Amino acid sequence: SQELEQSPQSLIVQEGKNLTINCTSSKTLYGLYWYKQKYGEGLIFLMMLQKGGEEKSHEKITAKLDEKKQQSSLHITASQPSHAGIYLCGAPTNTGGTSYGKLTFGQGTILTVHP
Amino acid sequence: NAGVTQTPKFQVLKTGQSMTLQCAQDMNHEYMSWYRQDPGMGLRLIHYSVGAGITDQGEVPNGYNVSRSTTEDFPLRLLSAAPSQTSVYFCATMKQGPEAFFGQGTRLTVV
Repeated sequence: SQELEQSPQSLIVQEGKNLTINCTSSKTLYGLYWYKQKYGEGLIFLMMLQKGGEEKSHEKITAKLDEKKQQSSLHITASQPSHAGIYLCGAPTNTGGTSYGKLTFGQGTILTVHP
Repeated sequence: NAGVTQTPKFQVLKTGQSMTLQCAQDMNHEYMSWYRQDPGMGLRLIHYSVGAGITDQGEVPNGYNVSRSTTEDFPLRLLSAAPSQTSVYFCATMKQGPEAFFGQGTRLTVV
């Protein structure tokens, strides 16, 4: 089965600093999703990557999928307190096919941004 | 639209008690799933459903039952609660696309 490993597990930064979170898969990724979770709330979809080398941005958050499709990085530029939360990467559990609602998640990265 | 509604938000159970976590969606999505979230372990799939009348096990199904009699509802039943089932439970729905929609979660403590 596919496993996703995130690093670091937690991150504390000063407001305005850049940061990167990594997600490494044990198998080739056929889709990689990034979600954000605020404490006590559900997950919010950020973006999806499918093609090797693909890069997407949403406001100050950029995510990339490497050419070999086994690692993704999430980069936040000029972090703000509103970026604080838990970031999770997810991928379809069924490699190469439709997810059918089955997702495998990394263990999450807890981000704290100090003002 | 309410999206995905989970009830209750908080629950404390005694070991051995049973209960049902409710999940309802108004988005007409085919796929519904239950996950549990534990510190340092991300989200793990308990059960999922690809449509009314069809359910299957996920990664950690033991101790839980589900049914899907309608498209809208996907309840999760704890048959005999154990302290190991203390967790935060999330219900999620998906259509064909990649975006999963999550409920607000149920924080369950088993004492």
